[in-house]
Amino acid sequence: QITLKESGPAFVKPTQTLTLTCAFSGLSVSTSGMSMGWIRQPPGKPLEWLALIYWDDEQRYRHSLQSRLTISRDTSANQIVLTMTDMDPVDTATYYCAVQLTADGFFHLWGRGTSVTVSS
Amino acid sequence: SYVLTQPPSVSVAPGKTARFTCGGDNIGDKRVHWYQQKPGQAPVLVIYSDNVRPSGIPERFSGSNSGTTATLTISRVEAGDEADYYCQVWDSDGDRVVFGGGAKLTVL
Repeated sequence: QITLKESGPAFVKPTQTLTLTCAFSGLSVSTSGMSMGWIRQPPGKPLEWLALIYWDDEQRYRHSLQSRLTISRDTSANQIVLTMTDMDPVDTATYYCAVQLTADGFFHLWGRGTSVTVSS
Repeated sequence: SYVLTQPPSVSVAPGKTARFTCGGDNIGDKRVHWYQQKPGQAPVLVIYSDNVRPSGIPERFSGSNSGTTATLTISRVEAGDEADYYCQVWDSDGDRVVFGGGAKLTVL
């Protein structure tokens, strides 16, 4: 059984850097052909894709947030990491990680998400 | 940038058919995927590559895609189908994932 579990701080202050991790179980983050991503959802708003990292470490980012985002793989811990700099209250959201098991462009599985509130 | 447009709400009586549209420029040339998100839960894939149901998704869920509109259809709607439904594509021009704005299903 494949599971994804997000973790990170529930609260951050404006201008701080957010670091989120997504631990994979039942699946290696080095599996060929796979990609892993982060998607967020502000309260009451739609899903918003943030970043994607492929099994070979290629990365893709949401254009409007590219300068603030970094996605990486930690193969020793079998997890992916998202950092987002210069946090703002508008970044308050539930952050999900998800996996694309094939190159067909959709997310097969999602984690339960982790809630992040940005407030001073 | 590629945009997916979804009417925000769909209302249907139990046992009837719900249809969700997802509009986009030449969306028929792309593979469209659909997710169901119930309140307080993570999204769940219900249709991928236009019309394929993942294992465990009821046959009541089906999809189509042509021209400028993709459609998710739920037949014989049940109260448990109440959720938000999102369409999604891969925008190869922009090299990015795109989600629609979501549509809320209300079962009357």
